[in-house]
Amino acid sequence: GNSVTQMEGPVTLSEEAFLTINCTYTATGYPSLFWYVQYPGEGLQLLLKATKADDKGSNKGFEATYRKETTSFHLEKGSVQVSDSAVYFCALLSGGSNYKLTFGKGTLLTVNP
Amino acid sequence: GAVVSQHPSWVICKSGTSVKIECRSLDFQATTMFWYRQFPKQSLMLMATSNEGSKATYEQGVEKDKFLINHASLTLSTLTVTSAHPEDSSFYICSARRDRGNEQFFGPGTRLTVL
Repeated sequence: GNSVTQMEGPVTLSEEAFLTINCTYTATGYPSLFWYVQYPGEGLQLLLKATKADDKGSNKGFEATYRKETTSFHLEKGSVQVSDSAVYFCALLSGGSNYKLTFGKGTLLTVNP
Repeated sequence: GAVVSQHPSWVICKSGTSVKIECRSLDFQATTMFWYRQFPKQSLMLMATSNEGSKATYEQGVEKDKFLINHASLTLSTLTVTSAHPEDSSFYICSARRDRGNEQFFGPGTRLTVL
């Protein structure tokens, strides 16, 4: 079956530090990959996505590249801000899954001023 | 575009009562909607897939008689927690899949507290 493994949190950084949150996946076929962000007390917002190998998703300074050879989709940002503090979820959607997303467990990021 | 709303955003109820949560796609049609449950500091657990005009498909371990799902129109799905108990307290999130494409759009969530 499909699965997503992302690095355990929590992650605590100082403002302007470099961020990496690792995500690897197991899936049949050629899944689409997503990063969602959840701010405290809110639902999920799509942060970025990639639908095929070597695609790079980017948004708000965050980037992730779909690496088929390593089955990875690591999230990176060069300089984090306090407002980036949130929980980040890696997810995949594979064909034949009836459009069901498979989520990682989430990584809590706290950015201190 | 692609906004999903949930109502109410939070609800407190007494044990034994039923609570209905609405999920609406405001500016698009959604044949398929999903209901998730999220415990504190944990990931989302898919409860069921809601299909317009047909019965919902429940995930293993989810009681269909306790969590009633109705998807009567292309923009509205409801989740009713029947005979709620304190262990049903949780954050419930819905998502809607736009009919064209496979992206899901998430609602802001509903915090349910059962006393």
